[in-house]
Amino acid sequence: QVHLLQSGAEVRKPGASVTVSCRASGYTFASYAVHWVRQAPGQRLEWMAWISPDNGKTKYSQKFQGRVTISRDTSANTVYMELSSLTSEDTAVYYCARPRTSGWSDFDTWGQGTLVTVSS
Amino acid sequence: EIVLTQSPGTLSLSPGERATVSCRASQTISATYLAWYQRRPGQTPRLLIYGASIRATGIPDRFSGSGSGTDFTLTISRLEPEDFAVYFCQHYGSSPYTFGQGTKLEIK
Repeated sequence: QVHLLQSGAEVRKPGASVTVSCRASGYTFASYAVHWVRQAPGQRLEWMAWISPDNGKTKYSQKFQGRVTISRDTSANTVYMELSSLTSEDTAVYYCARPRTSGWSDFDTWGQGTLVTVSS
Repeated sequence: EIVLTQSPGTLSLSPGERATVSCRASQTISATYLAWYQRRPGQTPRLLIYGASIRATGIPDRFSGSGSGTDFTLTISRLEPEDFAVYFCQHYGSSPYTFGQGTKLEIK
């Protein structure tokens, strides 16, 4: 069974950084990209970035360019999302998601979400 | 960036009724890259429809999708109790991927 397991909730102060992990199981890790999406309170889902686990290629939303870094550890089937220079507007639930196919694709598997709270 | 606008924001219906949710894109998009999801409270999003009209694996046939250009529709033919949830559309044909703001389907 395909599954994405994310790390637990985090609390950070403004200006700090946070790293959320996403461990994949039930499929060949290198065969599918992993995307990151977030949802702030009362807002719509917002796509942030993706990484191709086989070669480490990344693509970032312009909105987050320079503040977000996606990386992977193929030995642990895990992808990491680091977001820096946090503000209160980064308070959100962060999801990793697996596309159904290669290329431009919808998402057929989502992680359970990680709440990141930014507060002084 | 393609902006997706859903309507209505909230839909109040009874079990057995038909539900129709609209998703309008800010510019013409290919139907190939339009998906619909369901999210029940406390659960992760569930893929219902991709390619505007193709049901995902295991999705009951009471769910259907249609549309082209800028206007897309999700229809639930006969509502079951478990269908009361939030529905949202997604465009995934270009970067950045974008999502509609969601439609809450509630029991009347």
